[in-house]
Amino acid sequence: QQPVQSPQAVILREGEDAVINCSSSKALYSVHWYRQKHGEAPVFLMILLKGGEQKGHEKISASFNEKKQQSSLYLTASQLSYSGTYFCGTEGGAQKLVFGQGTRLTINP
Amino acid sequence: DAGVIQSPRHEVTEMGQEVTLRCKPISGHNSLFWYRQTMMRGLELLIYFNNNVPIDDSGMPEDRFSAKMPNASFSTLKIQPSEPRDSAVYFCASNTPDIYGYTFGSGTRLTVV
Repeated sequence: QQPVQSPQAVILREGEDAVINCSSSKALYSVHWYRQKHGEAPVFLMILLKGGEQKGHEKISASFNEKKQQSSLYLTASQLSYSGTYFCGTEGGAQKLVFGQGTRLTINP
Repeated sequence: DAGVIQSPRHEVTEMGQEVTLRCKPISGHNSLFWYRQTMMRGLELLIYFNNNVPIDDSGMPEDRFSAKMPNASFSTLKIQPSEPRDSAVYFCASNTPDIYGYTFGSGTRLTVV
């Protein structure tokens, strides 16, 4: 029931764009996105709820396809500070958030 | 707001010893979660509480693990006896339905030798 993320790793030059995908085999109530820098705790970026509501970071955009149980995170005009590992977390109900295996994003100058 | 506070930050213990990890959630948050992170298994949900009551402990690996939340401002995760395969970073997180996202503590890096 762990969601599957793709790609596993991305290397970009500063200013380039990236898309990270998250797919679940179960019906979803919500999808969360978090970023974790090395040696630190995951930090909340965005939540996408069934029905279309979104809450989160102003400069981050994401989509949620409820029918396909998929979500994508869009990082545009990447900055060095965007580097880290991105996790999607999926919730099928009852507040049980299950995380994907992560996508490591490296931004080079 | 001090955020979610975990202690200790690092713990090194010998196999067979009891280990207790501590967590203070953000005041007003009524849900608390314990996660374990390893390279092999990623971020695993161990147990979560709602209003101090354990709701789902299906992620607790075995009977050596136990968790309590005696009040709204404190939770413990205990491993007895500890084994080398328990080595991981253990995170506590809290939230409230009004906020949606989880706030994670800084984690406890546990090494069992």
